[in-house]
Amino acid sequence: DADVTQTPRNRITKTGKRIMLECSQTKGHDRMYWYRQDPGLGLRLIYYSFDVKDINKGEISDGYSVSRQAQAKFSLSLESAIPNQTALYFCATSGGLFYNEQFFGPGTRLTVL
Amino acid sequence: GQNIDQPTEMTATEGAIVQINCTYQTSGFNGLFWYQQHAGEAPTFLSYNVLDGLEEKGRFSSFLSRSKGYSYLLLKELQMKDSASYLCAGLDSNYQLIWGAGTKLIIKP
Repeated sequence: DADVTQTPRNRITKTGKRIMLECSQTKGHDRMYWYRQDPGLGLRLIYYSFDVKDINKGEISDGYSVSRQAQAKFSLSLESAIPNQTALYFCATSGGLFYNEQFFGPGTRLTVL
Repeated sequence: GQNIDQPTEMTATEGAIVQINCTYQTSGFNGLFWYQQHAGEAPTFLSYNVLDGLEEKGRFSSFLSRSKGYSYLLLKELQMKDSASYLCAGLDSNYQLIWGAGTKLIIKP
């Protein structure tokens, strides 16, 4: 079984719709991250959380919000989707002895029409 | 500002050796990571360097020079399955990863 899972894996939606991307992990890690990846650009950090009560904005948080429902769950919401939010979204976790190494989920491909 | 630079694309031949370079500028420095990413898949960890020098792990090696803000990933005995993007990322003073855009490595028979 995968240690970091993301749902849905693919989503097509329309401009203005609210979308939630979910991430779950069984690694027992405290830290969780949301990134987006666009062709020709590096991974860009949207939000990160070091524990359930700690949520921080990343480089590109505008237009996004997050919820850390439990240690194992971290959700990303697009309140009103727009076409330039079309991207590949990754959730990642880190923790344990080698807490700087990040483990990635399989990604969610989001298309906003 | 913070920046990671690496070549956009490289081509190499099966069985050969290739070196992928990365230069970095981060606010503080807590190490340099290399990840492999096959098309449409998640990045997977390859190496982590925090001290100067070469770390060898099978066919892959990673080198760091902190004084030069420079790292490279060396891949030996290239196989077709090594065709992928290789991502360089620096860990800054806030323990956040700053990512390069990735180097797409094309392996030819």
